[in-house]
Order: sequence, then structure tokens, then C-alpha cells
Amino acid sequence: KNEVEQSPQNLTAQEGEFITINCSYSVGISALHWLQQHPGGGIVSLFMLSSGKKKHGRLIATINIQEKHSSLHITASHPRDSAVYICAVRQTGANNLFFGTGTRLTVIP
Amino acid sequence: DTAVSQTPKYLVTQMGNDKSIKCEQNLGHDTMYWYKQDSKKFLKIMFSYNNKELIINETVPNRFSPKSPDKAHLNLHINSLELGDSAVYFCASSQDPGQGRETQYFGPGTRLLVL
Repeated sequence: KNEVEQSPQNLTAQEGEFITINCSYSVGISALHWLQQHPGGGIVSLFMLSSGKKKHGRLIATINIQEKHSSLHITASHPRDSAVYICAVRQTGANNLFFGTGTRLTVIP
Repeated sequence: DTAVSQTPKYLVTQMGNDKSIKCEQNLGHDTMYWYKQDSKKFLKIMFSYNNKELIINETVPNRFSPKSPDKAHLNLHINSLELGDSAVYFCASSQDPGQGRETQYFGPGTRLLVL
């Protein structure tokens, strides 16, 4: 069983829809990352969270430490948001990084 | 200026060869990483160097050896390449993860194809 599980694996949305991608993990963590991988392959770090909520433009990331769960929300989705979104966690007291398998988002005009 | 750069971008080689992939960051970061992304697009960390010291060494074959001549560079050397080594290799850097400043900056990736 993977230490990090993401859902859904694939998501297709109409432009303008509100998107939610979920990440659950099974280890104690010191930080959680959300990454975006573009169709061309480049990877960009979107957020690093250890508690609460962060917002950047149309993107919002939340984390619930007690429930070992994080969500990434995209408001007013746009075709340029089409990418693979990856959740990763750094395990507490260790330097291990565990990655989810990613959520492939396609936003249709 | 490119923050994290990798060379080469593409690498096609025969089984059994030895090859190196270079990574450089100009962000002044203390920590650098190598990741492998397989054909299923699953990212897995291979190595991490903090101030030239190895702090993660996941269960990768010892044919893979990271070399860090200074904290701005982390090169990946691969001996006796095998078909299963075909993947995209990403380099990344961050400030010290222990200080809570671990946003990672990724290089563009090196696509390795072993024939």
C-alpha cells in the first residue's frame, strides 16, 4: 500500500468548474507538497503546507493533520490548468519523501 | 537565468554503457535531489544531498552514484545501463528542509532511453 493516496486518478471538467483533488497519507508528516506537472513534463511546486490553508490565485490548498488529509482546490478552472497534480509528504523525523501517483486533470473549453 | 538546469535534456544510449547527467542550481540552496519518473509517471526520490552530504539513499541499485562537487551541483552517474533505467530523471533543489523552507524547484528533466 502506498503511503500517499490521491483521488481521483483522472478528472475531466468543463471550463469554469470548481475542482477538488484529494490526498490522504498514512505516516506522520512534517510537510506536504502539491506539485503540478505540465503536459510538456515540467514540474512546478504549487504549495508546501504543514497546517491550515494556503491560497495562490485560483488555487487553494488545505490540510487536516488529524485526519491525515489534504485537498487542492481550483476555482474557475481553465484549460491551462490541465496537468497532473502530485501530492508528496515528508515523513516526520526522517528525510523520506513519499509521492502520490498523481491526478490527471483535463479542463475542456 | 535558469534556476535549476540539467544536461543533457535527452540521452539515448546502449545497454551496458556508463553515462552521467549533470545538474546545477543557482538559487543558493543547501539541498539537492534526484528523482526518477517511470513510464507510469510515478515520481520516486532517489537521492538527496544537503551541503554535499547524502541524507537520503533510497533503494536504488548501486549502479547509480550521485556526485556533488559543491553545493550548487549534483550529478548522477549511472554504470552499466539497463533497459529498466529508461525514464525521465528530474533534479530539484530546496533550502534546508529542516528549517521549514523546503519548497522544491525542479529542473526540466532528462529523458533517458536505453536501447
